[in-house]
Amino acid sequence: DTAVSQTPKYLVTQMGNDKSIKCEQNLGHDTMYWYKQDSKKFLKIMFSYNNKELIINETVPNRFSPKSPDKAHLNLHINSLELGDSAVYFCASSQDHGGSETQYFGPGTRLLVL
Amino acid sequence: GESVGLHLPTLSVQEGDNSIINCAYSNSASDYFIWYKQESGKGPQFIIDIRSNMDKRQGQRVTVLLNKTVKHLSLQIAATQPGDSAVYFCAENAGGTSYGKLTFGQGTILTVHP
Repeated sequence: DTAVSQTPKYLVTQMGNDKSIKCEQNLGHDTMYWYKQDSKKFLKIMFSYNNKELIINETVPNRFSPKSPDKAHLNLHINSLELGDSAVYFCASSQDHGGSETQYFGPGTRLLVL
Repeated sequence: GESVGLHLPTLSVQEGDNSIINCAYSNSASDYFIWYKQESGKGPQFIIDIRSNMDKRQGQRVTVLLNKTVKHLSLQIAATQPGDSAVYFCAENAGGTSYGKLTFGQGTILTVHP
């Protein structure tokens, strides 16, 4: 049983293209997140949604647009991809968005922009 | 492997030894701390957490120690096994209006030799 799943696992694309990454959780959680992990393994939060409402929006270029069709799904659309967008993107979820909620991570999407 | 060129702190131990991984956190307002384990090609996996009203918490083979005075967190792994080889991250949450925003440390590479 996969708790937090992401598709695709690998994504290779050209600069300037638009792409989407999908995330689904079957834990019944209310809150979902997107994180970016760079080549130095540094993990940084990008967005969070609680029950389809945007809660956290870090300083992320507006080429990145999250969409939550329902509380079990949080997708990430990226316009006009740039070389610097190459990274591993992780989705996570937690029961709620309180300060002491454990976040559970998906397997990651490895994005390579050429 | 993935660790080449990362320049993360590293800890190399023999199977059966105890391991101690350290983390300095930055925000004195943080009230919730988590340790994650990330194996090669996978997402971060929850290990253990601790709230700021505690200074020690034990799990199965793992213990987390929190020293708020010096803003230091440590993860102790007893009888380390080859399967414990991974990158270990500490994360802090400032609570209040941080709404689940986790700030991750840089990570430590643990290598366990049989």
